[in-house]
Amino acid sequence: SAVISQKPSRDICQRGTSLTIQCQVDSQVTMMFWYRQQPGQSLTLIATANQGSEATYESGFVIDKFPISRPNLTFSTLTVSNMSPEDSSIYLCSVEEGYEQYFGPGTRLTVT
Amino acid sequence: AQTVTQSQPEMSVQEAETVTLSCTYDTSENNYYLFWYKQPPSRQMILVIRQEAYKQQNATENRFSVNFQKAAKSFSLKISDSQLGDTAMYFCAFMSPNAGNMLTFGGGTRLMVKP
Repeated sequence: SAVISQKPSRDICQRGTSLTIQCQVDSQVTMMFWYRQQPGQSLTLIATANQGSEATYESGFVIDKFPISRPNLTFSTLTVSNMSPEDSSIYLCSVEEGYEQYFGPGTRLTVT
Repeated sequence: AQTVTQSQPEMSVQEAETVTLSCTYDTSENNYYLFWYKQPPSRQMILVIRQEAYKQQNATENRFSVNFQKAAKSFSLKISDSQLGDTAMYFCAFMSPNAGNMLTFGGGTRLMVKP
């Protein structure tokens, strides 16, 4: 299965600032996904990022708040903009291979 | 839209014993996949097992097996010979190729394996 890394692994940010999370895969993949896991909760899909097209956002998530880039088949970024304490979560990227999804280690974001 | 429900927020089991985690789902799709993921305190999501809806045979991976009841829309996970390292959150998840291959997760079950 693909090996996925994320940077940063954790961060503490001030309210009103933005943070960009990077997701790197060791092989070329078509579909990448970004999920949010709020404290003590399950995972919720933010958006699907396919190379060469605009990201597709799920209900409740908008591009102005969570802009996503997908410049090539091995890399994607998620930006959390104008952060508030409610954005404190774990953010995970995943890739699909053969109808299975594999996850990165996650980025733990705390907004103060 | 698909929904996934895990009715057991927490469970515990003695080391070496067997435990079953429950999951039900709702969908109008006929072609789909079901998964169990494990998330230990390290927060890394680990794929435990996969079941294709078109297969009648239940999937098995070493100590992990599923009981897939398509008509009842039930998908339980059995862990045999439980080990301390099985302590984790377990998430049931649904995927449909007709819905962009996104995963829909259940709320999770926290499993504690006791020595």
